Amino acid sequence: DVKVTQSSRYLVKRTGEKVFLECVQDMDHENMFWYRQDPGLGLRLIYFSYDVKMKEKGDIPEGYSVSREKKERFSLILESASTNQTSMYLCASSLSGYWTYEQYFGPGTRLTVT
Amino acid sequence: QKEVEQNSGPLSVPEGAIASLNCTYSDRGSQSFFWYRQYSGKSPELIMFIYSNGDKEDGRFTAQLNKASQYVSLLIRDSQPSDSATYLCAVMAGNQFYFGTGTSLTVIP
Repeated sequence: DVKVTQSSRYLVKRTGEKVFLECVQDMDHENMFWYRQDPGLGLRLIYFSYDVKMKEKGDIPEGYSVSREKKERFSLILESASTNQTSMYLCASSLSGYWTYEQYFGPGTRLTVT
Repeated sequence: QKEVEQNSGPLSVPEGAIASLNCTYSDRGSQSFFWYRQYSGKSPELIMFIYSNGDKEDGRFTAQLNKASQYVSLLIRDSQPSDSATYLCAVMAGNQFYFGTGTSLTVIP
């Protein structure tokens, strides 16, 4: 079974703090993704990566950055947390190829910025 | 313009009935279609995927794809209270995934 783990289930940070969210997958997947999920807005893609050191902006990259130094690890960074970044953050991974493979999700991190 | 549209519901069905969930998408070049189930407070889990026109069955679940009409649906037969969750439709177009906002399903015992 694919396993995607995230560093924290719940996180509370103060406005202006730098926040690191870590994601690790153990199935040698090429693709990794960061989403945020908010009521009524569904899943929105922040960033994705299709290879080590490669990254692509998703729909809402503003206020975020990412790092992928190793294939199994994809980090999301909030440079200066703001209250509108309070959300559920979900990491996912998938294989790559001509046919798209399904995404497997981690358990999520519920971030509250006060 | 949203890429993937779902009726947000809530959809309520009695236990043992068939639940029908629908999804439409805008990009005719979309290649792959997925249904995820998400329980409250949990992350999405994949339950079905379909690439070709027609039906695909897996246990109590059937996914139906009609590329000409640009819709994909999920039927849940013999619905159980444990099926109560939000169901997310996802569509792959190009190299991007697009998720609908989900349909909330409640199965009433």
